[in-house]
Amino acid sequence: GAGVSQSPSNKVTEKGKDVELRCDPISGHTALYWYRQSLGQGLEFLIYFQGNSAPDKSGLPSDRFSAERTGGSVSTLTIQRTQQEDSAVYLCASSLRVRTYSNQPQHFGDGTRLSIL
Amino acid sequence: GESVGLHLPTLSVQEGDNSIINCAYSNSASDYFIWYKQESGKGPQFIIDIRSNMDKRQGQRVTVLLNKTVKHLSLQIAATQPGDSAVYFCAEQSSNTGNQFYFGTGTSLTVIP
Repeated sequence: GAGVSQSPSNKVTEKGKDVELRCDPISGHTALYWYRQSLGQGLEFLIYFQGNSAPDKSGLPSDRFSAERTGGSVSTLTIQRTQQEDSAVYLCASSLRVRTYSNQPQHFGDGTRLSIL
Repeated sequence: GESVGLHLPTLSVQEGDNSIINCAYSNSASDYFIWYKQESGKGPQFIIDIRSNMDKRQGQRVTVLLNKTVKHLSLQIAATQPGDSAVYFCAEQSSNTGNQFYFGTGTSLTVIP
């Protein structure tokens, strides 16, 4: 489809395991964002990629969290040594960006529901 | 720091009535605002946006009003339908925070048939 695609849609894993979450942004979108959403809560910013610039990692909660974006398209969010408090929905969004600061809406995927047992 | 909040966490309206969802923000430099709709089990869906050089913008059955004086944003939904039941988020962006968006916690809208 033409929207943001995330996989897997659901992930259940044991505490201490590593997980990888994938995001395919909308074709042509240069900006990509990762957020975390806990039950009944708003969106918590994690990391932002824009083109070939260094990512803004200011929202990553700990060094167990990391993300990559290969070829300016697909992104992977990795959580190492998962903890129960990592359980949440992880949302990816992408947007166009034309200038240094550009008002462009973010378009979201349906998220990965991560449950840590 | 940034603060984007919603006045009411829940809102119930009768089918066919108009709905108004409110949002307050604290950064006077904010210049771009978006409303999102999030249905259960899905990601936020873009509804409508507005830039700070406007105070009103209309879409299909939705209107966004921006009052920069009191830093207030509202979403009006005309002739609310059961399919409008969802959580609605406002988001804001400002040039002094780069490309980050700040989101409110959301208002849950329930449409009563």
